[in-house]
Amino acid sequence: GESVGLHLPTLSVQEGDNSIINCAYSNSASDYFIWYKQESGKGPQFIIDIRSNMDKRQGQRVTVLLNKTVKHLSLQIAATQPGDSAVYFCAENISPSISSGSARQLTFGSGTQLTVLP
Amino acid sequence: DAGVTQSPTHLIKTRGQQVTLRCSPKSGHDTVSWYQQALGQGPQFIFQYYEEEERQRGNFPDRFSGHQFPNYSSELNVNALLLGDSALYLCASSLVSSGGSNEQFFGPGTRLTVL
Repeated sequence: GESVGLHLPTLSVQEGDNSIINCAYSNSASDYFIWYKQESGKGPQFIIDIRSNMDKRQGQRVTVLLNKTVKHLSLQIAATQPGDSAVYFCAENISPSISSGSARQLTFGSGTQLTVLP
Repeated sequence: DAGVTQSPTHLIKTRGQQVTLRCSPKSGHDTVSWYQQALGQGPQFIFQYYEEEERQRGNFPDRFSGHQFPNYSSELNVNALLLGDSALYLCASSLVSSGGSNEQFFGPGTRLTVL
């Protein structure tokens, strides 16, 4: 079936370096993608999103890149800090019609554990 | 402004029992989605409630049922618990509105352990 997956289960980076977390998706109908950060004992926290009509979007220290040709999504974190240590999930979604009275149903990947080394 | 709240925080049940988990959405939100997150996995969509009706459902058996109340809060019920139901159950709230990104805000989850 359709699924979202991540290439690497773990990633270790030195504090101050840039981090890149990758994600592959298989549902070509997906038009909205989100990155979430989940710290231990907490629910997922929204980081940044991107729609399929864009290929790049920047936030504060984070950038999401979308390559629809190869169905690939990446999250770049600049100047990684100890507080960035967490599990990062990408999620994808097909926009529901407004008339359906539905909000988004997200499909998550399995996550990447980011560890920031001092 | 209170975010999404869930209760209880932790719960231990035995096989065959029934459990009810509760969620209060973020203020101003009208839609509640439930997800199951097994250890080391990403969350999996269970179902979504809007206007007190189940609007979408993931690939979960009928043992999983829910309810939404007029104040938009929601319950998740699981009957005939199995060991494999042990997981973190997440509630996410959002607002169904035209032109919105429907950003989902997640609660801290309820950790269910089935023995």
